[in-house]
Amino acid sequence: GAGVSQSPSNKVTEKGKDVELRCDPISGHTALYWYRQSLGQGLEFLIYFQGNSAPDKSGLPSDRFSAERTGGSVSTLTIQRTQQEDSAVYLCASSRSGTNTGELFFGEGSRLTVL
Amino acid sequence: AQSVTQLDSQVPVFEEAPVELRCNYSSSVSVYLFWYVQYPNQGLQLLLKYLSGSTLVKGINGFEAEFNKSQTSFHLRKPSVHISDTAEYFCAVRNQGGSEKLVFGKGTKLTVNP
Repeated sequence: GAGVSQSPSNKVTEKGKDVELRCDPISGHTALYWYRQSLGQGLEFLIYFQGNSAPDKSGLPSDRFSAERTGGSVSTLTIQRTQQEDSAVYLCASSRSGTNTGELFFGEGSRLTVL
Repeated sequence: AQSVTQLDSQVPVFEEAPVELRCNYSSSVSVYLFWYVQYPNQGLQLLLKYLSGSTLVKGINGFEAEFNKSQTSFHLRKPSVHISDTAEYFCAVRNQGGSEKLVFGKGTKLTVNP
């Protein structure tokens, strides 16, 4: 596709359930990023992938959060045993790694609401 | 580790007035600097970036920013704003070399009133 695609766009779940959020990056982009956007908190870095490996996952808030990327393309962010404080918009971005331009192309996000 | 401080969470201005959105960063190494914009109900997009060279960089929609190494600042300016500039603006920093992680500030909500 032309841009970064994220699904679902909206997810409402009950506390304690697991959720999976999917990101399909721009074709040919080797770097992929996950951020969390909460009201008043800006963009919080979660993890980034270079190909299928994650050189920096320092932003994952707890061991309930995990992410994987397969085939150097699609990535899935999984949140286990969701809590109300996990409610946020989860943004995915991709970039052409190695260019050092730093331009990230963002998807429109997955809005997660934990009841 | 690098960090970004956006000093104003909200900036209201009148149409055709000038505006400056402030950004300060902290890093132990040389950095690249960026401003991203998020229009209502849209994804983030790059407004402008500083990689090297001239410290005054121009971006889309008439915005510009100046890199000041001694003050560790990268303030965004526009001489005359339009209603359509109403959006949230995010400053971001990335260390040169090492991790490709881009660290964002908490954002400044610019509201342009008629």
